[in-house]
Amino acid sequence: DAKTTQPNSMESNEEEPVHLPCNHSTISGTDYIHWYRQLPSQGPEYVIHGLTSNVNNRMASLAIAEDRKSSTLILHRATLRDAAVYYCILRRTYSGNTGKLIFGQGTTLQVKP
Amino acid sequence: GAGVSQSPSNKVTEKGKDVELRCDPISGHTALYWYRQRLGQGLEFLIYFQGNSAPDKSGLPSDRFSAERTGESVSTLTIQRTQQEDSAVYLCASSWDFSSYNEQFFGPGTRLTVL
Repeated sequence: DAKTTQPNSMESNEEEPVHLPCNHSTISGTDYIHWYRQLPSQGPEYVIHGLTSNVNNRMASLAIAEDRKSSTLILHRATLRDAAVYYCILRRTYSGNTGKLIFGQGTTLQVKP
Repeated sequence: GAGVSQSPSNKVTEKGKDVELRCDPISGHTALYWYRQRLGQGLEFLIYFQGNSAPDKSGLPSDRFSAERTGESVSTLTIQRTQQEDSAVYLCASSWDFSSYNEQFFGPGTRLTVL
């Protein structure tokens, strides 16, 4: 599976937007870009995913570069509850795929009141 | 609706003992995954079930680890002759299937401490 690169940590102020970057220069045409987050002492939770077009849901937006070599998770108004580790994960569609998630170290987001 | 549940939430055992960890996936989810997270580390994949079969066991760290799934529902992860390095949070996740566009729903995990 292709590798992703994320900053180790980021800080944000409460109620301000947060842009979490992810580089995936070796992405292939069949790789979906997924974001999960893990709040302290909890299991990971799905945030959003996309393939080529930008995506919005109730939690966040995902902006995907035209060449798909990078993407940005956007939290429109950070709250204290958004403090978590955010994982950018590529998932490939191919014969024999098991759908397992390959987690990197992620970005630890701190939200200051 | 009910999410993924795991039991026990915490387990403390002595080195050398066997332990069983249970996962109840979301009803109707055919894919089930086990992951492990050591303290301060990222998640490691252990094993994947599609129905009751385990086509991918590549993440099991040793033959002391085994898992089964019955009725396309409950799964049990068994660790025999536990070692201190087995101490970790064991997380279970389920999904409609293995497709790369489907999200995985995680349980709260079982924290295993081997003394």
